[in-house]
Amino acid sequence: DARVTQTPRHKVTEMGQEVTMRCQPILGHNTVFWYRQTMMQGLELLAYFRNRAPLDDSGMPKDRFSAEMPDATLATLKIQPSEPRDSAVYFCASGLSPRDREHFGPGTRLTVT
Amino acid sequence: AQTVTQSQPEMSVQEAETVTLSCTYDTSESNYYLFWYKQPPSRQMILVIRQEAYKQQNATENRFSVNFQKAAKSFSLKISDSQLGDTAMYFCAFMKDGGGSNYKLTFGKGTLLTVNP
Repeated sequence: DARVTQTPRHKVTEMGQEVTMRCQPILGHNTVFWYRQTMMQGLELLAYFRNRAPLDDSGMPKDRFSAEMPDATLATLKIQPSEPRDSAVYFCASGLSPRDREHFGPGTRLTVT
Repeated sequence: AQTVTQSQPEMSVQEAETVTLSCTYDTSESNYYLFWYKQPPSRQMILVIRQEAYKQQNATENRFSVNFQKAAKSFSLKISDSQLGDTAMYFCAFMKDGGGSNYKLTFGKGTLLTVNP
């Protein structure tokens, strides 16, 4: 059963440090999403890509966050510099078409102290 | 912009009983998809059921079924014969079917369901 993988699963870092989260979408999926989940805001879309091109990153703080897809098998989300308010679970999901469902990865729990 | 509202932050049900989770949404779109996702303590987001807005027939998946009322913009989830493993956060989600690039999900805040033995 094909799955989306994310690394690391947990990350604890100090304020000001750079954080990089990685995602491997399901092979053949051409759409990749990054979501952030917090208690206060719930699940929010940060960015999404289709065929490696960014389509919408309006949910992402541009000054410190960046998302890229170096190739079809890897998506990255970087935070530089990190802040305590960035503490959340970050999910990657991939999909193929509107008639398909988004397949979620297990998430990266980020704690910034 | 689309909004999804889940008015029940928490619910509980006895094992083997039936429970219904509510969801309403607001959209001006005519073609869209609705989903229920389950998030157990493991944090994994698991699709429970999906409904295409153009279909009048309510979707069912084993013990899970929906009551889709398009005019009322309501999309409730019914869980029959509740099991302890159903304990989780349940999220209602909306996705417009604009074709092309419009894939993103808009989520409600979630309902925490606890199934009691």
